[in-house]
Amino acid sequence: QQQVKQSPQSLIVQKGGISIINCAYENTAFDYFPWYQQFPGKGPALLIAIRPDVSEKKEGRFTISFNKSAKQFSLHIMDSQPGDSATYFCAASKENRDDKIIFGKGTRLHILP
Amino acid sequence: DTGVSQNPRHKITKRGQNVTFRCDPISEHNRLYWYRQTLGQGPEFLTYFQNEAQLEKSRLLSDRFSAERPKGSFSTLEIQRTEQGDSAMYLCASSRYDRGEKLFFGSGTQLSVL
Repeated sequence: QQQVKQSPQSLIVQKGGISIINCAYENTAFDYFPWYQQFPGKGPALLIAIRPDVSEKKEGRFTISFNKSAKQFSLHIMDSQPGDSATYFCAASKENRDDKIIFGKGTRLHILP
Repeated sequence: DTGVSQNPRHKITKRGQNVTFRCDPISEHNRLYWYRQTLGQGPEFLTYFQNEAQLEKSRLLSDRFSAERPKGSFSTLEIQRTEQGDSAMYLCASSRYDRGEKLFFGSGTQLSVL
């Protein structure tokens, strides 16, 4: 049973464009939704996270939009840069701490120069 | 502090052999996690420790797998009688639970079972 479903699997965006990655979850007990960024040969690194009491969180060029009723959340990368090329994972956790995180399958993002 | 350290970075072994990986967490991080990541997939939770106590084990952690965290510092993950299906990246992460801090991942140990 896949508790966090992520799409698309891969994404190609022109430099300066907006990259959008979507996730859906099933368990309404989830209360913490982070996004991780992973470069080849490295472990995942926390990019931005949101809790269900807000509908949007923005940090620099990265924004999470959260729709609690639809059980969906998305990552928007504005003004995408070649350095943003990486694999992005959405995730969810049931507790009020970022532990026992359940990850989606990932989106490979490539930004064309 | 240089972050979470994992050794070795790569391990190639023959089927049936035993392997052991080591993780050194960020100092004073009381929680330590092991995840497994296969190609094209997200990390899957295996187990975690709070200090030296192993608090939870995933069903993915068969009886061939054992993890320890003596004295609540570094941790080891041992796989006995390795199988080709064990080939994966094994990731370690740590956090300071009582501060609600985020997980910090190491760069992982890539295991290849021939």
